[in-house]
Amino acid sequence: GAGVSQSPSNKVTEKGKDVELRCDPISGHTALYWYRQRLGQGLEFLIYFQGNSAPDKSGLPSDRFSAERTGESVSTLTIQRTQQEDSAVYLCASSPRDRVIYGYTFGSGTRLTVV
Amino acid sequence: GQNIDQPTEMTATEGAIVQINCTYQTSGFNGLFWYQQHAGEAPTFLSYNVLDGLEEKGRFSSFLSRSKGYSYLLLKELQMKDSASYLCAVRDSKAAGNKLTFGGGTRVLVKP
Repeated sequence: GAGVSQSPSNKVTEKGKDVELRCDPISGHTALYWYRQRLGQGLEFLIYFQGNSAPDKSGLPSDRFSAERTGESVSTLTIQRTQQEDSAVYLCASSPRDRVIYGYTFGSGTRLTVV
Repeated sequence: GQNIDQPTEMTATEGAIVQINCTYQTSGFNGLFWYQQHAGEAPTFLSYNVLDGLEEKGRFSSFLSRSKGYSYLLLKELQMKDSASYLCAVRDSKAAGNKLTFGGGTRVLVKP
């Protein structure tokens, strides 16, 4: 596609429920990243996929968080048993190669509210 | 690990100049990025520095000093539409892939 697409754009869920967030990267972009942004704060790295290599999961805050990506296509970020502190904007980004000089292209994010 | 610091908020007048500083500490440096983020929107790429010096792009310029672990983003001839958050991000040469570590962002408010 023309840009990074994320869905849903907004999600309100009850505490304890599971949620699944979707990211559709730019076609041909081999690298895909998930970041979390709490209100008024910077971006917090969660997980990174590069082609068929093992993902870098070093940023996932707990075992309630997991993500999958099939090949170089869509990725899903799953949060199980959501907590109020999970409320944030979840941003997905993709880039065309492992090391690039022009950074990422971000999607518009999913705003998650846990009530 | 990495530590990236930038001011939380700055206010400037339309037509003026504002300089946003960013200091960083990293075990290995492989590039510094500046992104602009309007409220409720995705960050968009502004600039990239990997060598010391100034990179100019229209009204925006970015400077890097690797020895000092310091960068700044200079916004000239400020316009109201420049009101946004500006994110400094560093790529660590010792980290896998193209992973960027972001600072907390600087919210710039442009007043008439």
